[in-house]
Amino acid sequence: DTGVSQDPRHKITKRGQNVTFRCDPISEHNRLYWYRQTLGQGPEFLTYFQNEAQLEKSRLLSDRFSAERPKGSFSTLEIQRTEQGDSAMYLCASSSYMEEPNYGYTFGSGTRLTVV
Amino acid sequence: KQEVTQIPAALSVPEGENLVLNCSFTDSAIYNLQWFRQDPGKGLTSLLLIQSSQREQTSGRLNASLDKSSGRSTLYIAASQPGDSATYLCAAHAAGNKLTFGGGTRVLVKP
Repeated sequence: DTGVSQDPRHKITKRGQNVTFRCDPISEHNRLYWYRQTLGQGPEFLTYFQNEAQLEKSRLLSDRFSAERPKGSFSTLEIQRTEQGDSAMYLCASSSYMEEPNYGYTFGSGTRLTVV
Repeated sequence: KQEVTQIPAALSVPEGENLVLNCSFTDSAIYNLQWFRQDPGKGLTSLLLIQSSQREQTSGRLNASLDKSSGRSTLYIAASQPGDSATYLCAAHAAGNKLTFGGGTRVLVKP
């Protein structure tokens, strides 16, 4: 386990369809974060988990978005009834509570969503 | 609310020149500041992390400084190479267990 893995790398979907992304964090990391990045902008915080508990959600996370981390390991981010404005790069990051803030975050390669 | 700004938004230099990338943040109560590199269409690669008690960090040709009192961090890249072309993002880690990112500086190093 050498990093944070995200699947799929790219997703093209029609407006109105549901999509689900998966993130596998570094195994010893108990914190997991989701960020969204639109073209030309820096990433924006969506939500984070400590183990299986979802501790904070951004106002950016509308009712159509839901995230889970059922066993405190991998996480899924689901978007229902996708809209063109959902097109973005979805980034996952993980960190260790015991090591923060000294060691920072490790990011995955992201999932690029295009809604047509 | 923490706000992070990066200036300039884009930078083009000839190969061999030194790069200076600026990052400013509004809330000085940060745990650390992290610099990332992002290649087009890719995720983020961590470059340097400066803890709040530190003034600078160095890794190879990269040096990052932190001045909490003025809310500024600077990333220096010495003797730039075409392979340094990418977007560089700074992020402040403060209370609330999340990073606040700047908009990034897009760097082009011309051979």
